[in-house]
Amino acid sequence: DAGITQSPRHKVTETGTPVTLRCHQTENHRYMYWYRQDPGHGLRLIHYSYGVKDTDKGEVSDGYSVSRSKTEDFLLTLESATSSQTSVYFCAISESPGYPDSNEKLFFGSGTQLSVL
Amino acid sequence: AQKITQTQPGMFVQEKEAVTLDCTYDTSDPSYGLFWYKQPSSGEMIFLIYQGSYDQQNATEGRYSLNFQKARKSANLVISASQLGDSAMYFCAMRAAQGAQKLVFGQGTRLTINP
Repeated sequence: DAGITQSPRHKVTETGTPVTLRCHQTENHRYMYWYRQDPGHGLRLIHYSYGVKDTDKGEVSDGYSVSRSKTEDFLLTLESATSSQTSVYFCAISESPGYPDSNEKLFFGSGTQLSVL
Repeated sequence: AQKITQTQPGMFVQEKEAVTLDCTYDTSDPSYGLFWYKQPSSGEMIFLIYQGSYDQQNATEGRYSLNFQKARKSANLVISASQLGDSAMYFCAMRAAQGAQKLVFGQGTRLTINP
């Protein structure tokens, strides 16, 4: 199994509070991703990183920020949590895809269940 | 923009039957990769199979095969001789040139295998 650890595994918070989710990898993969999973929407990309301090937005980035100060850690921050951000959050890692039809697959962490009340 | 569509929210199949999970994709890029993942009730995401846009043959991995019809832009997952342990959510995903670093996922299909 790929060495990916997400913390916390479960979190309940209140609307308006800041929340930080952590993803830690031991594989030294260059790419790291944050997805959210919601019923009827599958997995949607929030942000991703292609190196230390190199990040880019995904399709649902509003209300989220990320940071990557070390290769192994990728943090997702909800500056002011809202109920619409209640979801399961997955971190994923991969080697550099290199080209569009690359077979480099994503390896996923176990997920974080976040509830915003 | 690239898009993945899985039109079957849920499927129910008898054990030992073959099952086909539908996936259609939309991209204008000639180069792309298609992936299938399985998510059991425990929640982890498990990679199943990959197909590249230039591959001449359909991909196979054990009981899993990918029915790749390029002209129709479909990449259906076929599971032969289904087992109770195949009950799970299944996601189709694509990587294309517009955002080659990212995988775009479909909505998923929940497969239930009945004994």
